[in-house]
Amino acid sequence: DAMVIQNPRYQVTQFGKPVTLSCSQTLNHNVMYWYQQKSSQAPKLLFHYYDKDFNNEADTPDNFQSRRPNTSFCFLDIRSPGLGDAAMYLCATSRDPYPGGQAKNIQYFGAGTRLSVL
Amino acid sequence: RKEVEQDPGPFNVPEGATVAFNCTYSNSASQSFFWYRQDCRKEPKLLMSVYSSGNEDGRFTAQLNRASQYISLLIRDSKLSDSATYLCVAPSGAGSYQLTFGKGTKLSVIP
Repeated sequence: DAMVIQNPRYQVTQFGKPVTLSCSQTLNHNVMYWYQQKSSQAPKLLFHYYDKDFNNEADTPDNFQSRRPNTSFCFLDIRSPGLGDAAMYLCATSRDPYPGGQAKNIQYFGAGTRLSVL
Repeated sequence: RKEVEQDPGPFNVPEGATVAFNCTYSNSASQSFFWYRQDCRKEPKLLMSVYSSGNEDGRFTAQLNRASQYISLLIRDSKLSDSATYLCVAPSGAGSYQLTFGKGTKLSVIP
């Protein structure tokens, strides 16, 4: 049974047309992450939520935004997709039971959304 | 120095072979490490966690050398189904719940 669910699995959008990707989890994890992965590259962290606190990576473009209305759901909004934003977008979750400590945090990934920009 | 560096690969090995992947990390404060497996166009999935000197799970053995800041993954008796990209993963900082992923090493097991 999928514990981190991403929708849609495939998304096609037009250049400049806003798009929203969704992620939900049944694990009750307090941390949720959004990664971008391009072919033959490592997953690149865009931002994450620690509970309700949003943490943006310094090099994440302003074009990317995120919302976490509750523990279970997190959204990735791409305001004006460009051709360079075509990629696999991965949502992941983890539980940090020991804030400030070296937690043995395993991240669980959703199946990803593959975004194409025409 | 990159935070997590892996052998670039690809590794093409025959069925039944033993293959080893290496990974170095830059953050000496890191204590827990992971190997993830990623199939083509799929999400990464946890293969093994490494918290002490090593871990073994069936045909897979992970070893950790803290002095050299080096992690390895050994796969014995390779199967066709082992063909995938293997990602080495380390915490992004001391006490950090965030992870840094290596670029991965691609393995192809050939009949």
